[in-house]
Amino acid sequence: EVQLLESGGDLVQPGGSLRLSCAASGFTFSSYAMSWVRQAPGKGLEWVSIISHIADSTYYADSVKGRFTMSRDKSKNTLYLQMNSLRAEDTAVYYCAKTTVGVIAVAGLAGVYFDFWGQGTQVTVSS
Amino acid sequence: SYELTQPPSVSVSPGQTARITCSGDALSKQYAYWYLQKPGQAPVLVIYKDTERPSGIPERFSGSSSGTTVTLTISGVQAEDEADYYCQSVDKSGTYVVFGGGTKLTVL
Repeated sequence: EVQLLESGGDLVQPGGSLRLSCAASGFTFSSYAMSWVRQAPGKGLEWVSIISHIADSTYYADSVKGRFTMSRDKSKNTLYLQMNSLRAEDTAVYYCAKTTVGVIAVAGLAGVYFDFWGQGTQVTVSS
Repeated sequence: SYELTQPPSVSVSPGQTARITCSGDALSKQYAYWYLQKPGQAPVLVIYKDTERPSGIPERFSGSSSGTTVTLTISGVQAEDEADYYCQSVDKSGTYVVFGGGTKLTVL
């Protein structure tokens, strides 16, 4: 059974940093690209970032580019999201999600979708 | 920036058919995917590659595509289908994953 368990969410002040983790089990973690998707309170889903199966390629939403960094540790079956220079508008539930592809094609993210999701971790940016 | 447009809300009575549309310029060239999300829960994939249904998803869920619009159809709607529904695709350049704004399905 595929399981994705996020952790690391917290209350942080504007300008602060936070690192989210997502522990994966039930599938061959190193074979699939993984993504982070967030949802602000009362709002819709917003894609944040994606990393290829061997971490040789990452893509980010414009809203987080230059502030957030996604990484993964094959030995720990864990996905990470390092969030710096946090803003109030980053307040959201952050979900990690498994894709059905490994390689992120040279042509980009065509065909990327999410077949399993974690339950999310809450990040609140407020003074 | 690229956008996928969904109606904010759709209402149907139990047993009727609900249709939720999603429009975007790139949908004629890129696949669409659909997720449902119930309050306090994570999203669940219900349709992939425009028309395919994952295992475990009831047959009453179906997808279709025509030009730049894709449609999620729920036949014989049940009370348990009440949820927010999101379409997802990628932009023309394949650089960004994009979600529609979501549609709240109310079962009257």
